[in-house]
Amino acid sequence: GESVGLHLPTLSVQEGDNSIINCAYSNSASDYFIWYKQESGKGPQFIIDIRSNMDKRQGQRVTVLLNKTVKHLSLQIAATQPGDSAVYFCAEIKNAGGTSYGKLTFGQGTILTVHP
Amino acid sequence: GAGVSQSPRYKVAKRGQDVALRCDPISGHVSLFWYQQALGQGPEFLTYFQNEAQLDKSGLPSDRFFAERPEGSVSTLKIQRTQQEDSAVYLCASRLRGAQYFGPGTRLTVT
Repeated sequence: GESVGLHLPTLSVQEGDNSIINCAYSNSASDYFIWYKQESGKGPQFIIDIRSNMDKRQGQRVTVLLNKTVKHLSLQIAATQPGDSAVYFCAEIKNAGGTSYGKLTFGQGTILTVHP
Repeated sequence: GAGVSQSPRYKVAKRGQDVALRCDPISGHVSLFWYQQALGQGPEFLTYFQNEAQLDKSGLPSDRFFAERPEGSVSTLKIQRTQQEDSAVYLCASRLRGAQYFGPGTRLTVT
């Protein structure tokens, strides 16, 4: 069925390195994508979003890239810090600009571990 | 203001018991969502409210699951005759516009 999934379930980096977390989606009707960070015992926390009419969006230390041709989404974290250690999920909304009320479809998640 | 809050944070139920999980959304948020998150998985949609109206309950796994939001603010997710497969974290999220904001979740363990 249609799904949002991740290539790598775990990623370990050294403090100060840049991190890249990838996500593949299969629903071409999805037009809004969000990255969430989830720390142990907490709910998902919004990081950054991107609409399908964009290729790139930057936030504070984070950049999301969207390649609609190959249905690929990535989250880049610059100068990764130990506090960035968490599970990262990509999520999609189908027809976000139309009648959709914003139901999220999540991928499995990538565990990011940052070593000091 | 305060974020989304959920209670209880942890719930242990014996198989067959009924449970009620509460969600207090961010004040003024029209949209409210419930998700179920199994260990090591991403959250999965259960149901959606717009104010007090339940507009989508397609994700509820069985008729043992019931959700309500009678006054368009606080919501309750009720699970009747709990089964072991109901063990999961139940997340509530609310939204006015844009992204959804999640609560900390209720971890339900059915023994």
